[in-house]
Amino acid sequence: GAVVSQHPSWVICKSGTSVKIECRSLDFQATTMFWYRQFPKQSLMLMATSNEGSKATYEQGVEKDKFLINHASLTLSTLTVTSAHPEDSSFYICRPGDTYEQYFGPGTRLTVT
Amino acid sequence: GENVEQHPSTLSVQEGDSAVIKCTYSDSASNYFPWYKQELGKGPQLIIDIRSNVGEKKDQRIAVTLNKTAKHFSLHITETQPEDSAVYFCAASISNSGYALNFGKGTSLLVTP
Repeated sequence: GAVVSQHPSWVICKSGTSVKIECRSLDFQATTMFWYRQFPKQSLMLMATSNEGSKATYEQGVEKDKFLINHASLTLSTLTVTSAHPEDSSFYICRPGDTYEQYFGPGTRLTVT
Repeated sequence: GENVEQHPSTLSVQEGDSAVIKCTYSDSASNYFPWYKQELGKGPQLIIDIRSNVGEKKDQRIAVTLNKTAKHFSLHITETQPEDSAVYFCAASISNSGYALNFGKGTSLLVTP
């Protein structure tokens, strides 16, 4: 099946710094990428949808200036958490969105101290 | 907005017994209903899915049933094994949103030997 990778798998950063998370589709091309956030013991919440070559669309309540999404190629989408704060600590997961059956990435655990 | 309700939130069964998890959805235009298994620290894995033109689908010990009239669908796991212990999420497609999904809140399944 389609393989999706995320890097890093986990990251610890200090409050006020920025962190970039990469999501790569390894054996296929993705024109659309969904980004989800998952707090401990909670469900997956859609944050935004990135589209290759155009601006991302954000869900209500998600600050687009804080969570910068770039989808510059058909195999790479990135999420940058700017000026991170402890409340941004979460599990961030990507999922290609060109069909329903595409698989989630393995996730990135972000801890902001 | 449209949402997906999932029950129970926790479920404990003995090895060999069956487990059933139920979900209801509100978007009558939803036409794709996947189930995911998530182990600790990992991304969700698609285990089975069903489309709206089918009432039931089975894959070895796992089956999903769909009642479009009542807008509910269920996951059935038979002959449970300890390795089935995980968090299970149901999801429903969001109409007019490409291939985006709405997720239930998850069910923590524990299979005891």
